[in-house]
Order: sequence, then structure tokens, then C-alpha cells
Amino acid sequence: SQQGEEDPQALSIQEGENATMNCSYKTSINNLQWYRQNSGRGLVHLILIRSNEREKHSGRLRVTLDTSKKSSSLLITASRAADTASYFCATLHSGYSTLTFGKGTMLLVSP
Amino acid sequence: DAGVIQSPRHEVTEMGQEVTLRCKPISGHDYLFWYRQTMMRGLELLIYFNNNVPIDDSGMPEDRFSAKMPNASFSTLKIQPSEPRDSAVYFCASSFRQSLDGYTFGSGTRLTVV
Repeated sequence: SQQGEEDPQALSIQEGENATMNCSYKTSINNLQWYRQNSGRGLVHLILIRSNEREKHSGRLRVTLDTSKKSSSLLITASRAADTASYFCATLHSGYSTLTFGKGTMLLVSP
Repeated sequence: DAGVIQSPRHEVTEMGQEVTLRCKPISGHDYLFWYRQTMMRGLELLIYFNNNVPIDDSGMPEDRFSAKMPNASFSTLKIQPSEPRDSAVYFCASSFRQSLDGYTFGSGTRLTVV
């Protein structure tokens, strides 16, 4: 299966703390994307990192990609209660045309 | 743009009935995707279109499922006859430049088949 795996499955932190989620995949990729899903809503695209990039930033988000280890991490700094959601990594694998989504990490940020 | 619009938001139907889910993609997006989300299987790609043409329907679980895109601003996913195991949240997403950029998802249709 091409499906990526997020780790941990669930994460509970306090407001102001940093949250780190990881994604591992099995075969080479063209790009890797992170999405957020609030309860009862659709997925929202957060950030995309290409296979030749190692790190990207967007506001409080930092994404790293290590193609040698076939893994990525999403760091949310200074978390807020509004960051409570599920976070998914999605990979575009070489030779494929569509994204494959992992099963997500559920993040709970308590006030 | 109002984003990707799906209807209905919720659908409860009896086993054996026909169900039609609707999607309006973002204007200018040339790719449209239908996904199904369940706790057990996560997000599964059912079918996708490019310029209104179905490209890959290998994810459609059975012949009971069909999808159409008669024009650039409208797509339907139909289940006939529906079964309880079809209960899930169905998402439509659209994109420009296929998977080289992010997908924009609709809010989904929660389908319950009783």
C-alpha cells in the first residue's frame, strides 16, 4: 500500500506548547502535503513540500522532509485551542497521479 | 469563490434506495476527485476526472457506484442500490494542476444507510 502513516495517532497538549506530528511513507515521492480536518468538516490544505526541499515554513507551521528516511514532520508552534483537529499527510508518489492520504493524527489542544 | 460545494450535507436513506451526491468544484479547477472517509479505512479515492473526463475509477467499490461530470461545474456520485456498508462521509475535492498543488475539499456528505 502507498498509504503513509502518521505518528502518533493522537496527541494531547496544552495551549502554548508545540505539537509535532510525523509521517512515514514507503516509496519515493514527488511531493508531500499536510492537511487539517476540523470535526465534521472537509480537509483544508496547509502546506506542500517538494521532494527536493528539506524544510518549509508557513506562519506557525514548519514542515521537514527527509527523503532518505522517507519521513516528514509537521511542527505547530505555540499551539492554540483552535488548532484542535485531525492532521493528515498526503503523498504524491512517483509514477502516480493522485494523492494518497494517511489515517491522520488527532490533536487536542487544551486551554 | 465559495469553495467546493457539496449537497446534501446529510443523507439518511433506506437500504435499496438510490442515493445521489452532488458537487460543484471551484471555477477554473480542471481536476475533480471523489473520496470516501470511514474510521476503518480512512480516506479512499473513488474516482477522479480531468476536464470532465473520468480518468481512473479503479477505487469505485462496486458496480452499484457510478459518477458523472456532465460539465466543468457539476459532478454527481450515485449509489444504486445503497447498502448499510456504504455509510460514510463522501468528499468531493478539486484542484488545478492535478496533484502538484493542494486539493480544495468540500464539506462532505454524511451518508447513513439504514
